[in-house]
Amino acid sequence: NAGVTQTPKFQVLKTGQSMTLQCAQDMNHNSMYWYRQDPGMGLRLIYYSASEGTTDKGEVPNGYNVSRLNKREFSLRLESAAPSQTSVYFCASTIGQNEKLFFGSGTQLSVL
Amino acid sequence: GESVGLHLPTLSVQEGDNSIINCAYSNSASDYFIWYKQESGKGPQFIIDIRSNMDKRQGQRVTVLLNKTVKHLSLQIAATQPGDSAVYFCAENPSNQFYFGTGTSLTVIP
Repeated sequence: NAGVTQTPKFQVLKTGQSMTLQCAQDMNHNSMYWYRQDPGMGLRLIYYSASEGTTDKGEVPNGYNVSRLNKREFSLRLESAAPSQTSVYFCASTIGQNEKLFFGSGTQLSVL
Repeated sequence: GESVGLHLPTLSVQEGDNSIINCAYSNSASDYFIWYKQESGKGPQFIIDIRSNMDKRQGQRVTVLLNKTVKHLSLQIAATQPGDSAVYFCAENPSNQFYFGTGTSLTVIP
């Protein structure tokens, strides 16, 4: 039981490049989330998927897109990376509302 | 304690002492709260949770207190150990989204 798995762990991009962050969970959770973490800002929600087939914007969605590929997988895409997207990205999942949120180990992204 | 802002609050305690970390939450509709621990380079790790129909919950060496009147949450760690050194976040869940505080950095002095 691996929990929430994110790939890659580290990535360096040039401004304007695109990439997709992958996330998979093996806990049969319904809801999945993408957060970014910046120094002094705490965790901020980018997008979430309350259930398979649905996605919704969070607090900071601009510059990102998501795909809930199936119940297990939720990917985050940066179409044209900007230096302001330099951050640590965390994927998380939960069985449902008002239940524990489990996190992956994060992706450290630098955009030059 | 935690607050929204640019500076990460810090707390230093002597090994063996008790630690208290505070959090002010914002949404009176929040009915579920979680405390997380985050070590350097790792993802947040669940510590303990509490629902709004409770005002206290205990785990192993940890206790969470909830005061809904003043929208305040606290985490108490008993007999703090060096392995407790980390950043601690509270999270509130008013809907299908979780909102996080900025965190408090706890340093345990041996």
